[in-house]
Amino acid sequence: GAVVSQHPSWVICKSGTSVKIECRSLDFQATTMFWYRQFPKQSLMLMATSNEGSKATYEQGVEKDKFLINHASLTLSTLTVTSAHPEDSSFYICSASSGGLADEQFFGPGTRLTVL
Amino acid sequence: QKEVEQNSGPLSVPEGAIASLNCTYSDRGSQSFFWYRQYSGKSPELIMSIYSNGDKEDGRFTAQLNKASQYVSLLIRDSQPSDSATYLCAVIQGAQKLVFGQGTRLTINP
Repeated sequence: GAVVSQHPSWVICKSGTSVKIECRSLDFQATTMFWYRQFPKQSLMLMATSNEGSKATYEQGVEKDKFLINHASLTLSTLTVTSAHPEDSSFYICSASSGGLADEQFFGPGTRLTVL
Repeated sequence: QKEVEQNSGPLSVPEGAIASLNCTYSDRGSQSFFWYRQYSGKSPELIMSIYSNGDKEDGRFTAQLNKASQYVSLLIRDSQPSDSATYLCAVIQGAQKLVFGQGTRLTINP
């Protein structure tokens, strides 16, 4: 149980274009989904937290107009990187939580974005 | 002071020995603690969660928590080459925010 998928697993795009990444909880309902970014040899940094049907809460320093998050259902959240630039190239990872006292987050396999 | 601190390593342990990974955290109010394993190029995989002081064992893994000292550790018994990975300590702060340490790179030598 507790499987989270991400699509695509990797994407290469030209500078200035937009890229959408999907995150799905396959066997549970995710009341909250999280988006992380990881640069090489660094740890995961939380970008934003999204609850189904609500606006996402962004961490300090993350541009909400550049990283659009939509959490339309209890099993799907999307992250759109708008007007991507080479410095946005990174490993983007989502996680999902079903809520409750355990606070456990289950991670998707990640999406590697390369902006040329 | 970083919120969650780990020794970045690398930590080298011979196969069959015990690997000991340590982590300290700054928020005394934290209640939930996790160890994740991350292979190169992959996303983190949850290994252990611990919420109460003391030890929690799961197979070859034992998590230890000492809230008074703000210290969490992970012991891996009978280390295998497949245990070679980066181990991330993570702490819940506030409402569900998971804060990660920088990770400890562990290498098990055959």
